[in-house]
Amino acid sequence: QKEVEQNSGPLSVPEGAIASLNCTYSDRGSQSFFWYRQYSGKSPELIMSIYSNGDKEDGRFTAQLNKASQYVSLLIRDSQPSDSATYLCAVIVDFGNEKLTFGTGTRLTIIP
Amino acid sequence: GAVVSQHPSRVICKSGTSVKIECRSLDFQATTMFWYRQFPKQSLMLMATSNEGSKATYEQGVEKDKFLINHASLTLSTLTVTSAHPEDSSFYICSASGPSEGQYFGPGTRLTVT
Repeated sequence: QKEVEQNSGPLSVPEGAIASLNCTYSDRGSQSFFWYRQYSGKSPELIMSIYSNGDKEDGRFTAQLNKASQYVSLLIRDSQPSDSATYLCAVIVDFGNEKLTFGTGTRLTIIP
Repeated sequence: GAVVSQHPSRVICKSGTSVKIECRSLDFQATTMFWYRQFPKQSLMLMATSNEGSKATYEQGVEKDKFLINHASLTLSTLTVTSAHPEDSSFYICSASGPSEGQYFGPGTRLTVT
């Protein structure tokens, strides 16, 4: 079983709708969770970090964490064509070690 | 804040030559930097963790004698691909642990070995 799993997509969402991206992780002791956005040919860009159960909102983005279910998600409200990218879920598995474990990413396409 | 730069952004070299890639944290000090490689349509693969003033920690399967890492200061880490071959052609990306938790990525270096 992979440590961090994401649906590879592609996920197509109409412009203005809510895009929902999901991620599960296998190590129950994982402490820190991140969402990165990567445009084609570019390096990843940090969007959100979340550390405790519940929701965390930043503008149009909401990260949700459920440690009991080992599940983290990212919601994008009012999706725009510029949101079309690959979204990478990343987890710090070992406490005290800053190394990130990445999922394979979900490719999101916003349809105008 | 938390800006990471890489140089060069793109390099083409001949097989058998060596290439050096620089990674700099511009507005913060980074005791730890990471080097990744990404092939087309694949996710990031961590190659090594670079700690200032000490030897890098390489991931399993990554040849430390081929990918030389030096982290001589709190703002600079370098990756040297020695005796490059066409199969080393890839997108190399560095990241640094920034002022808040999480890693901040450089813009990447696209290496093509002919």
